[in-house]
Amino acid sequence: DAKTTQPTSMDCAEGRAANLPCNHSTISGNEYVYWYRQIHSQGPQYIIHGLKNNETNEMASLIITEDRKSSTLILPHATLRDTAVYYCIAQGAQKLVFGQGTRLTINP
Amino acid sequence: NAGVTQTPKFRILKIGQSMTLQCAQDMNHNYMYWYRQDPGMGLKLIYYSVGAGITDKGEVPNGYNVSRSTTEDFPLRLELAAPSQTSVYFCASSRGTGVTNEQFFGPGTRLTVL
Repeated sequence: DAKTTQPTSMDCAEGRAANLPCNHSTISGNEYVYWYRQIHSQGPQYIIHGLKNNETNEMASLIITEDRKSSTLILPHATLRDTAVYYCIAQGAQKLVFGQGTRLTINP
Repeated sequence: NAGVTQTPKFRILKIGQSMTLQCAQDMNHNYMYWYRQDPGMGLKLIYYSVGAGITDKGEVPNGYNVSRSTTEDFPLRLELAAPSQTSVYFCASSRGTGVTNEQFFGPGTRLTVL
């Protein structure tokens, strides 16, 4: 399973777009990129996933580079409730391997 | 749908005691998982199950046991509690079919071993 690298922490102003980067340079062809987030001490929450095409849902957009070595999660209009730890996971099997994630703080 | 439920929410154990953390899901998911999360760290997989009667070890299985007699329930057993097992425990489930499947997490059980 590919290892992912994320910045430890990021800040974003409320109402602005939050762009969270993730490097997964060793990702293999059958591994998907998943994003989860964990708000305070709650259980992680699924956000979005993709293989090679860009994806969008009601929560976020996922941009994957053409070589699939990195991706960016975009929260288009961040709110204070988006403050959380965001995990990027590259996974082909059913098991998820969580790193330490990015602690995103949305500032008023 | 209640989703994934876990009991208890909090528990304090003495060293050497045993307990069972309960997990149930009402989404008819085939796959279920147990994770632990130490302070400031990501989640680590303890055990998982791909269906009733089938379980397998994850990254950190030592000191734990699981069983899966029904699709809905996946209890985690600690036989001889140790301070190193102080952690927050999360149960999750997923459909398990298809190439991708998102996991749904419970609210967690916060365990302290003194």
